[in-house]
Amino acid sequence: DIVMTQSPDSLAVSLGERATINCKSSQRVLYRPYNVEHLAWYQQKPGQRPKLLIYWASTRESGVPDRFSASGSGTNFTLTISSLQAEDVAVYYCQQYYTVPLTFGGGTMVEIK
Amino acid sequence: EVQLVESGGGLIQPGGSLRLSCAASGFTVTSKYMTWVRQAPGKGLEWVSIIENNGAAHYADSVRGRFTISRDTSKNTLYLQMNSLRAEDTALYYCASGQGFLTPLWGQGTRVTVSS
Repeated sequence: DIVMTQSPDSLAVSLGERATINCKSSQRVLYRPYNVEHLAWYQQKPGQRPKLLIYWASTRESGVPDRFSASGSGTNFTLTISSLQAEDVAVYYCQQYYTVPLTFGGGTMVEIK
Repeated sequence: EVQLVESGGGLIQPGGSLRLSCAASGFTVTSKYMTWVRQAPGKGLEWVSIIENNGAAHYADSVRGRFTISRDTSKNTLYLQMNSLRAEDTALYYCASGQGFLTPLWGQGTRVTVSS
């Protein structure tokens, strides 16, 4: 199974400041024929269902604000919120969708400092 | 409107069975990969099962042999038959869908509590 490890577990950032979340996969999740990383990021606000933010490691889902960006390749990936807003308080999960069993990171809780 | 609506959760005794449903609208369940993901109270997301559009099914080790994923095209509904339930199966169960293994669309979840 591909193990997804996120860091940190939690993060407190001042409004308007940058938040960075890391995700490491135990194996590569690159689909070579299309040269795309099968890595997604989800946001889950308190009491709500998860929402897809990013797929193919760096492509924003439609409607996601451009303060959310992501990058990475190989086994190391990053989600960045460039200027934290109050509505961004949530738990963020990375997920590999390269192969079953699909696996999620443990989550990173982002709070306001 | 494209959406997923889960139902069927509840309180069940250990060893019991429950069938969860996920009604799809705005698309057909056979046109997408359909997934179940669960979230235990205060915990993270755990993938449970997926059925591909060709009908191939896959399961997490923790539920294989106890849970069965299926779909009914006439009702446009996804199911999760859960047998031999354990306390550790207590969770909010989400239905999700997408092209391939990616899941952009999620339902609101249905809660399952396994307790005597």
